[in-house]
Amino acid sequence: DAGVIQSPRHEVTEMGQEVTLRCKPISGHDYLFWYRQTMMRGLELLIYFNNNVPIDDSGMPEDRFSAKMPNASFSTLKIQPSEPRDSAVYFCASRGQAGEKLFFGSGTQLSVL
Amino acid sequence: RKEVEQDPGPFNVPEGATVAFNCTYSNSASQSFFWYRQDCRKEPKLLMSVYSSGNEDGRFTAQLNRASQYISLLIRDSKLSDSATYLCVVIDSGNTPLVFGKGTRLSVIA
Repeated sequence: DAGVIQSPRHEVTEMGQEVTLRCKPISGHDYLFWYRQTMMRGLELLIYFNNNVPIDDSGMPEDRFSAKMPNASFSTLKIQPSEPRDSAVYFCASRGQAGEKLFFGSGTQLSVL
Repeated sequence: RKEVEQDPGPFNVPEGATVAFNCTYSNSASQSFFWYRQDCRKEPKLLMSVYSSGNEDGRFTAQLNRASQYISLLIRDSKLSDSATYLCVVIDSGNTPLVFGKGTRLSVIA
């Protein structure tokens, strides 16, 4: 099993540009989570899906952020337009049935200049 | 109001020392508890679950105190390889996402 796969590993962009982060969860996992990590705020949950349906997006900071999960094997997190304060590490994670271990991808280090 | 609070550290300890971290949580109905470990520039990984009766895994011991709403992690005979950030994690119910503390940074020094 390849684990949770995220791309790109690093993204450097200029303020105002659109950024798309991608995630492939572990096959068979029903839940997919997007987290953002910064030194100041730690790991924050942005949104999570169950069986491809968004369940809770209350952590999405503002309308500039959107996430989709068109099928069980793919999800995207989009920021449009990006701002310097969006700079962080964005993690995708997946898990099987409720309460089971959470598996993280390697993260995307985003820098918005 | 923070849901899960941890002492950020850093804890700087010599090899062989015993070190303990505490974590407090605000929701008395929380059901499941975990410790995750995160190495520098890496993703978090599950270290161990925390059971009501307390549990041990080698040099690591986790305990839960529901009355005072905290969990703890004890590391005995610290190794250099234990240097990492330790994240306290709480689940309120089976279907809700994990809530992470900000982590406690540990540096084990030779």
